[in-house]
Amino acid sequence: GQNIDQPTEMTATEGAIVQINCTYQTSGFNGLFWYQQHAGEAPTFLSYNVLDGLEEKGRFSSFLSRSKGYSYLLLKELQMKDSASYLCACPGANNLFFGTGTRLTVIP
Amino acid sequence: SAVISQKPSRDICQRGTSLTIQCQVDSQVTMMFWYRQQPGQSLTLIATANQGSEATYESGFVIDKFPISRPNLTFSTLTVSNMSPEDSSIYLCSVETGTGAPSYEQYFGPGTRLTVT
Repeated sequence: GQNIDQPTEMTATEGAIVQINCTYQTSGFNGLFWYQQHAGEAPTFLSYNVLDGLEEKGRFSSFLSRSKGYSYLLLKELQMKDSASYLCACPGANNLFFGTGTRLTVIP
Repeated sequence: SAVISQKPSRDICQRGTSLTIQCQVDSQVTMMFWYRQQPGQSLTLIATANQGSEATYESGFVIDKFPISRPNLTFSTLTVSNMSPEDSSIYLCSVETGTGAPSYEQYFGPGTRLTVT
């Protein structure tokens, strides 16, 4: 089976840095995805990690440790538009299994 | 990438009725999926829509309640049958193109917001 855990909610200040953690337990590992979902909109792809280490993409970075079953999404220079839910997901046999998502609120 | 449209975008339905949601993709795709997202929660996979064969349902979801069609590689429908207020949710179609990297990446439609009264 698969199990993915994320914090339910986080709050951070505009311009700051925030780290959203995700722990996972999967039968077989085929990488880990992060998706962003603004309220009322569809999820959009942010990142994919299959090897250990940090992948940087502009203000967003994603880290993976396969031995620890752990990933995080790092958001730098937070902007108000970054207020959204961030979903951690792992591929199953033929689909993506999503965590419950972390609702991030950015405050001025 | 893929561009996905869904119809209707939202609907309010009476209990006991059925609603069919359509999903159209701008290119041929191998895998199409239907998810449900209840208020304040993450996405739960309902089923994988297979072209030319019956859909594959996840635990807790059955064909009688959520019949699915996949007549070709660009289109699918999900019907929510005999609706109750507990079916109020956002229903999302997604596709996996199977090309490029990562191959597991999915693209999502805008969703259909269903309210059952």
